[in-house]
Amino acid sequence: AQSVTQPDIHITVSEGASLELRCNYSYGATPYLFWYVQSPGQGLQLLLKYFSGDTLVQGIKGFEAEFKRSQSSFNLRKPSVHWSDAAEYFCAVVFMNRDDKIIFGKGTRLHILP
Amino acid sequence: GAVVSQHPSWVICKSGTSVKIECRSLDFQATTMFWYRQFPKQSLMLMATSNEGSKATYEQGVEKDKFLINHASLTLSTLTVTSAHPEDSSFYICSARVIQGKLTKNIQYFGAGTRLSVL
Repeated sequence: AQSVTQPDIHITVSEGASLELRCNYSYGATPYLFWYVQSPGQGLQLLLKYFSGDTLVQGIKGFEAEFKRSQSSFNLRKPSVHWSDAAEYFCAVVFMNRDDKIIFGKGTRLHILP
Repeated sequence: GAVVSQHPSWVICKSGTSVKIECRSLDFQATTMFWYRQFPKQSLMLMATSNEGSKATYEQGVEKDKFLINHASLTLSTLTVTSAHPEDSSFYICSARVIQGKLTKNIQYFGAGTRLSVL
């Protein structure tokens, strides 16, 4: 079955530390891949996306993500987090044979320690 | 990036009344908009796909008579929660899809969401 998984519900890191949020998908081909961020009570902001080409994608706010076909993963990274990065992060996937609908992971809540 | 405006951001209403939520694409045309519902501390659940000039496509389990969707123009879609009840209280988010080039790249830009509280 086609699915997207974010295995970590909560992640806590210290300010200034590096961050990696995991995302895996199950699909027979390469889907379109996205990372969104949601602050409390807000909508979703697109951080970055992957359609094809270079597997290392740069996004806004200093985030990057790497697509690894062999692992069916699209992990989000940031070398040094800031307190303002505390939010909910959603990995999202478009499977092309499902009417182009976005399927969201369950989200990972990022907590930042001062 | 593309901007999607959603209004109102918060609405409180009495049980039995109807509430309309607007979703506008401000600087681009969106032939397709999506409506999601998000429960506290959960992910987004797609309710329906709204196509300009045609009837919306609802996901399984979503009552189309309860959640009326109208997409009358390329920049506006509305969601009306009819005869709202406390169980309809939730966070509703819309998105608009941008098409790039010949391929539907399916980049969705999201509104800020509407918090509905039904008393």
